[in-house]
Amino acid sequence: GAVVSQHPSWVICKSGTSVKIECRSLDFQATTMFWYRQFPKQSLMLMATSNEGSKATYEQGVEKDKFLINHASLTLSTLTVTSAHPEDSSFYICSAVSRLAGGLYEQYFGPGTRLTVT
Amino acid sequence: DAKTTQPPSMDCAEGRAANLPCNHSTISGNEYVYWYRQIHSQGPQYIIHGLKNNETNEMASLIITEDRKSSTLILPHATLRDTAVYYCILSGSRLTFGEGTQLTVNP
Repeated sequence: GAVVSQHPSWVICKSGTSVKIECRSLDFQATTMFWYRQFPKQSLMLMATSNEGSKATYEQGVEKDKFLINHASLTLSTLTVTSAHPEDSSFYICSAVSRLAGGLYEQYFGPGTRLTVT
Repeated sequence: DAKTTQPPSMDCAEGRAANLPCNHSTISGNEYVYWYRQIHSQGPQYIIHGLKNNETNEMASLIITEDRKSSTLILPHATLRDTAVYYCILSGSRLTFGEGTQLTVNP
């Protein structure tokens, strides 16, 4: 299957700083990318939908000014956690989607980024 | 959003078939059923998808009932490496994950 990479795979930062996470589709062009957050022993929670060349759509309860998403090209989306706090510590996962005809899609997930805010 | 329900956990003996059920009674006519799994601290891995016909690939088989209100993922010969959380999701625009089923394959 197609490959989606995330960078970095883990990061530790101090409270109040900002952290940027990159999501790249390596061998296909993604019409849409999704960002998820996962806390320990919980399911993935969709944070936002990122479409190339347009503003991201955020899920209810997700602060758009705190989680900045930029989808500059069909192969790259970035998530910036601004003014990070310890409660932002989580596992962040992106996925890249290629929509096909008839409601079918291909969705591939990145390996995730472990963020720890101290 | 169409939702799915899965049992929270299941156990299976190594080498035996693992049958993971999923209910999706509100599925709409053009929605596909997708299965993913997530091994601890990794991104979800695609397994299989289907619309109304049964599907099989090198990883698993997917059985969808005729009314499409439920499906079963079958791992024909489970191994210890199949221990993971298995998610059944529908191809609606929100791609929402439920709680999934924690499958534990025991030696």
